Parts: sequence; structure tokens; C-alpha cells
Amino acid sequence: DTEVTQTPKHLVMGMTNKKSLKCEQHMGHRAMYWYKQKAKKPPELMFVYSYEKLSINESVPSRFSPECPNSSLLNLHLHALQPEDSALYLCASSQVASVLEDEQFFGPGTRLTVL
Amino acid sequence: GEDVEQSLFLSVREGDSSVINCTYTDSSSTYLYWYKQEPGAGLQLLTYIFSNMDMKQDQRLTVLLNKKDKHLSLRIADTQTGDSAIYFCAASGGGADGLTFGKGTHLIIQP
Repeated sequence: DTEVTQTPKHLVMGMTNKKSLKCEQHMGHRAMYWYKQKAKKPPELMFVYSYEKLSINESVPSRFSPECPNSSLLNLHLHALQPEDSALYLCASSQVASVLEDEQFFGPGTRLTVL
Repeated sequence: GEDVEQSLFLSVREGDSSVINCTYTDSSSTYLYWYKQEPGAGLQLLTYIFSNMDMKQDQRLTVLLNKKDKHLSLRIADTQTGDSAIYFCAASGGGADGLTFGKGTHLIIQP
């Protein structure tokens, strides 16, 4: 299985809602990532988890809260979002353990719309 | 920090070769990647190259790396309509680093 899956594919939420994005991989990778991609822009790194610990937090607002319950799962909890947070949210994973196998595999993304 | 630059558009005729160029600034970048993104879809890893390599070929794709000039290129041979997409160049220092992406090159295929 060389796939990163993300659910849901699409999400529409109001500014007062609480929702979660989910990401899963079964490749035995020990690093997982969240990226945000606005329309016609490159992806921007938000968070990196390495061995289930948060290792990089790119100054993301606290209304985004990541969680890594185990090595296969990565969640992104959303609360009190703003319309400008509407974007494609991409999850990725990589091996980490071996320098030779460090390519990042991306999921298909969750397209989030905040009303 | 790292800065990755690429031209925004490339137009080629079907059947010709496409060459997409990219420059990066951090000479310690260990991994250099090419991703493809079709409209409305996530990123698909096309190929990658380690910084100690000059060239990598994978079927229709050829990646050339000039480490001295910090220049990376992706050549797609026999370009087809299905190759129409945005191509992102990305660089990483290795380990659990995130990637730094270029702005993406829109590849437009003319019949």
C-alpha cells in the first residue's frame, strides 16, 4: 500500500463550527505533514510530526490544532476558522528513518470552504 | 531560508519535448523533487533526485541537476495532452523537513 488517504474530500463549514480533517498512511512512515494550498499558489508547510511528536510548527494560528494519535494517523482539528482559511489541505508522509527513502508522498487533499 | 523559483507558463506542441526549469538558493538542499498537480487534484510525485546525482531518467522523464548553478530541469519527452498540469519543483534538506515549493509551471499543450 503506497497511498496516503485523506477524509473528507470536501468540507464546508461555518465560522463557529468545529471539524476535523483526517489523514492515514500504512507505509510504515514515521514523518507526517500538513500543508495548506490556496488557489493558484504552491503548498505551504503548516506542521510536521516526526515519530508522533510535533517537530515543526510554522507559526500557524491556534484555530488549527494538529494531532497524531499513532504513527499511521494524523488529524487536523479546526475551530473558529475564517473565510480566508478556505484552501486545499494536503497531508504527506515520508520514511524519515532512511535518508535513501525520504521522498514525501502526498494525499489527494481536503478542499475546505469556510462560510 | 530556501527560495525556489520557476517560470509560470510553458507552452509546447503535442509530441515535442517539454523542458521545465527551476532554480533554488540553498546549496545544502539534499533532495529535489518534481510534482504534478492536475486541476482540482492533490500533488503527485513524478520523480526526485539526490543532490549527489547529475541526471536521473525514468521513462519519458529526465531530470538534470547542475549543483554548481543550483539549477534543476525536468524534460518530458513526447509531450501528450495528458501531461497538461502544473509542475512544482520542491527542495528539502532531508530528514523530517518540509518541502519548499516553487510557484509552479503551467504546462500548456498545443494540438
